Amino acid sequence: DAGVIQSPRHEVTEMGQEVTLRCKPISGHNSLFWYRQTMMRGLELLIYFNNNVPIDDSGMPEDRFSAKMPNASFSTLKIQPSEPRDSAVYFCASSLRVLGETQYFGPGTRLLVL
Amino acid sequence: GQQLNQSPQSMFIQEGEDVSMNCTSSSIFNTWLWYKQDPGEGPVLLIALYKAGELTSNGRLTAQFGITRKDSFLNISASIPSDVGIYFCAGPRSAGGTSYGKLTFGQGTILTVHP
Repeated sequence: DAGVIQSPRHEVTEMGQEVTLRCKPISGHNSLFWYRQTMMRGLELLIYFNNNVPIDDSGMPEDRFSAKMPNASFSTLKIQPSEPRDSAVYFCASSLRVLGETQYFGPGTRLLVL
Repeated sequence: GQQLNQSPQSMFIQEGEDVSMNCTSSSIFNTWLWYKQDPGEGPVLLIALYKAGELTSNGRLTAQFGITRKDSFLNISASIPSDVGIYFCAGPRSAGGTSYGKLTFGQGTILTVHP
């Protein structure tokens, strides 16, 4: 079975540019989570969806960040405009709630904003 | 709010040694999860615990769900170089209603194994 798929795996961009990160959750999973990981702050939950509906976006740092889940098999996290402090590893994870809270993580997107 | 405190923050051990780490909380958790993150990868689930007092093994890994439901322990026996990584404990957040699978993560224990 394919796990959570994220693209791109690496992204280098200049400050002010728009960045779009993509995620394909495990087929059949009904919850999707976006995390950011940095050395200073560890793993931070940004936003999560249940059945394609955003449930809690309180972790989104500011209005420059937005996330969508147009269907059960695809989600995007967009940063516009990007800033150097957005440099981090962004993970997508999915879970099937009826089996408990176990989340399965993607390999992450390593973002560097110059 | 619910927070998970992991200790130690980092460990440097020799290959072959046993490893113990723990995770504590001031709140009760009904599930404890242990993840491992290899360098450059996403966290991978190692062990899930669902019942107070439960002791579960996965190869050289053993984890226990504390009786008070406020702590959990992970042990690795006979460590090998590929055990290197960051180990996270996690538990579902609960705020009176459904959590939708939302997890609280500890800050991680960084394990280094010297050959």
